[in-house]
Amino acid sequence: GENVEQHPSTLSVQEGDSAVIKCTYSDSASNYFPWYKQELGKRPQLIIDIRSNVGEKKDQRIAVTLNKTAKHFSLHITETQPEDSAVYFCGSSGWGKLQFGAGTQVVVTP
Amino acid sequence: EAGVAQSPRYKIIEKRQSVAFWCNPISGHATLYWYQQILGQGPKLLIQFQNNGVVDDSQLPKDRFSAERLKGVDSTLKIQPAKLEDSAVYLCASNRGAAGGFSTDTQYFGPGTRLTVL
Repeated sequence: GENVEQHPSTLSVQEGDSAVIKCTYSDSASNYFPWYKQELGKRPQLIIDIRSNVGEKKDQRIAVTLNKTAKHFSLHITETQPEDSAVYFCGSSGWGKLQFGAGTQVVVTP
Repeated sequence: EAGVAQSPRYKIIEKRQSVAFWCNPISGHATLYWYQQILGQGPKLLIQFQNNGVVDDSQLPKDRFSAERLKGVDSTLKIQPAKLEDSAVYLCASNRGAAGGFSTDTQYFGPGTRLTVL
């Protein structure tokens, strides 16, 4: 089955700096890669996703890149703000269940 | 549109007791998922329904966990008897679903039920 590894587990950045979270997956049939943000005590919410026919996708300060050959994808947050502080989960799925990474705790310090 | 609803939000029980969680998905969503999220980990799929049929329950501990979605809308997840290691947040999610139960549509999560087993 699919195995998703996510790094780093924690990330501390100064407000205004960029944050990058990386995930690798094992199943070459995977074709959908969402990113969820989960604030403390709240539900995971989709912030961006990418499908395998696209190499990069951007939405304001958030971007995701996908390298299917290397089986890895990354989340990029630019100009970080304190409200970006949360746990971020990557996901990978194809013909089957959506598998999540272990999460990255992002702390943005003013 | 209304989101995924779950109840209760919190539950504290002693080991060997039983507990049940309820989920109401977004209207019209054919696929419903139950996840277990242990503190510090990503959500792990327990069971996936397509309408009222089970698509995947390979990671459901069937000796103690059961789930149903009899009318293809609401769903309940039950644990009987509970163990200490069942302490976790139980998340329900739903999406429109694709033919055959395989879906890469966006999953929308409910607020979760935080279970503490003492």
